[in-house]
Amino acid sequence: GQQLNQSPQSMFIQEGEDVSMNCTSSSIFNTWLWYKQDPGEGPVLLIALYKAGELTSNGRLTAQFGITRKDSFLNISASIPSDVGIYFCAGQHGSSNTGKLIFGQGTTLQVKP
Amino acid sequence: DSGVTQTPKHLITATGQRVTLRCSPRSGDLSVYWYQQSLDQGLQFLIQYYNGEERAKGNILERFSAQQFPDLHSELNLSSLELGDSALYFCASSVEVVGSYWGNEQFFGPGTRLTVL
Repeated sequence: GQQLNQSPQSMFIQEGEDVSMNCTSSSIFNTWLWYKQDPGEGPVLLIALYKAGELTSNGRLTAQFGITRKDSFLNISASIPSDVGIYFCAGQHGSSNTGKLIFGQGTTLQVKP
Repeated sequence: DSGVTQTPKHLITATGQRVTLRCSPRSGDLSVYWYQQSLDQGLQFLIQYYNGEERAKGNILERFSAQQFPDLHSELNLSSLELGDSALYFCASSVEVVGSYWGNEQFFGPGTRLTVL
């Protein structure tokens, strides 16, 4: 199935550092969503983006909807140990009577205290 | 807690068997989506129901089927199970904007881990 290109695949950082990850697509999306998944749990919605160029924050998390509508970025500032997990981007075309999500492969984040 | 519930949490069964996974969406959400998560394929959309009707199909095998009941809960039926069907199965729900634009935040349940032996 179709997947978004998400990078990096994994990151190992020191507590307090900032983190950046991104997703790119060959097609245009109307909505970008960012999720975090802990082992054995379901994805938890972090941020939703609905407009090209939109910049949205949720605490230490900031995400942007790319101008071309083909990419999105997630930044985490001042990382803490509980940020550990897998982060997924997901896009919605939203134009064909379904809101099905297309997911990236995920970015695994590890934080060293 | 997303408000989406799924049962059972774990399911272990043998090849050739049939299982049913159940999902209750968040209160007020009319759309239910089913996704499969495996190590090699990642998170893949299977099927969507909206207010009892099938809206979209993704990479869903013919051995798999789903339905959404009048109370909006949904069931995913997997039959003639194979080893490769072992995966996490997630249900997500959403309040859809009906009309020219579909797309909204989806909230995921805790998943059902299916192991086929």
